[in-house]
Amino acid sequence: SQQGEEDPQALSIQEGENATMNCSYKTSINNLQWYRQNSGRGLVHLILIRSNEREKHSGRLRVTLDTSKKSSSLLITASRAADTASYFCATTSGTYKYIFGTGTRLKVLA
Amino acid sequence: ETGVTQSPTHLIKTRGQQVTLRCSSQSGHNTVSWYQQALGQGPQFIFQYYREEENGRGNFPPRFSGLQFPNYSSELNVNALELDDSALYLCATGPGEEYTIYFGEGSWLTVV
Repeated sequence: SQQGEEDPQALSIQEGENATMNCSYKTSINNLQWYRQNSGRGLVHLILIRSNEREKHSGRLRVTLDTSKKSSSLLITASRAADTASYFCATTSGTYKYIFGTGTRLKVLA
Repeated sequence: ETGVTQSPTHLIKTRGQQVTLRCSSQSGHNTVSWYQQALGQGPQFIFQYYREEENGRGNFPPRFSGLQFPNYSSELNVNALELDDSALYLCATGPGEEYTIYFGEGSWLTVV
């Protein structure tokens, strides 16, 4: 079974709004990563946060990690239509075997 | 552009047949992993190869097998195809910066 669970499963927002999606996982991790997938194509790496980090920024992306709650959130600010995609969190305990969540389908309306 | 190439991009097979999917990388990364992604689900880890040896396996039956070649390219073989094998198969190579892995565009397999 998949370790991660994303919430919400689907999200629809207007262009310019912020989008927040959450991820929960079950076991201890070395790092957590977020990936984007457009229409069933390959996954694109967005950002990695290590287990000893609490927050990380990259452009319009902000990721937080709470290891005590085994959860992470991804915030996309000032969303654009091009951000429409599925977003997955993935965790690893150090073996490059990544455990993916079920994903959040984001739709940004122009 | 991740530099990971998968082939074929789409294929249709009949239940009971065998299929071979291929993956190559321009990066020279020595680890390759394969994932299965059913429609509407997240990718599930099949197995990983490091320097031509299987180095970890997910919850998949033995009819899923693989190879990694000296140039680090890889194959995924699935025997005795079942309808539930219909999925997007993703290859990933790494590690890259910050221990990330890089995915190809995938091979869509439909079993009828």
